[in-house]
Amino acid sequence: EVQLVESGGGLAQPGGSLRLSCAASGFNFTNYWMHWVRQVPGKGLAWVSRVNSDGSSTTNADSVKGRFTISRDNAKNTLYLQMNSLRAEDTAMYYCARNREGNCTGGSCLNWFDPWGRGTLVTVAS
Amino acid sequence: DIQMTQSPSTLSASVGDRVTITCRASQSINSWLAWYQQKPGKAPKLLIYKASTLESGVPSRFSGSGSGTEFTLTISSLQSDDFATYYCQQYNSYSYTFGQGTKLEIK
Repeated sequence: EVQLVESGGGLAQPGGSLRLSCAASGFNFTNYWMHWVRQVPGKGLAWVSRVNSDGSSTTNADSVKGRFTISRDNAKNTLYLQMNSLRAEDTAMYYCARNREGNCTGGSCLNWFDPWGRGTLVTVAS
Repeated sequence: DIQMTQSPSTLSASVGDRVTITCRASQSINSWLAWYQQKPGKAPKLLIYKASTLESGVPSRFSGSGSGTEFTLTISSLQSDDFATYYCQQYNSYSYTFGQGTKLEIK
């Protein structure tokens, strides 16, 4: 069964840091681009960050540029999100999600997301 | 960045109704659009991709159409399990933007 399980969420102070993890199983993790998507409680979905298959290329939303870093460890089948300089507006449920199609090249890497994990909640407050 | 605008934001309907949700892109995204369903406390679930391709296992009462900048999600005959929030998402560019969501409520 294809599965994504997030962890690492919790309470952080403004200006603080957290590292989220997403453990992948049931598929060849090495072949897929991966993403983080967040959702403020009661609000809509917002894409945060993506990493390519080997971790050599990343893209971040403007809202987190310079503060969040996405990475992956293909030997451990794990995706990460290092979140620094946290702000109250970063409070959200954070989901990891997989590109639907693996072994992508060029434009085919622009892909829809499936599956998604269940999410991990990050709260930034003093 | 490409902006995605859904309408309506809230839709009240009854079991058996046919409903349509619209998603408009600020520039052409060809057919690079997905629709997701989300229920409270759950992760989004993929319904449709490439604007009109039904995900395996999704009931055939769901359908998608459109290309360019205007897209629709139609549920032909609402079932009680369909009351949820629906999001469109463009994947034409690396900004991967979502619509703001349409909450489908029981009338």
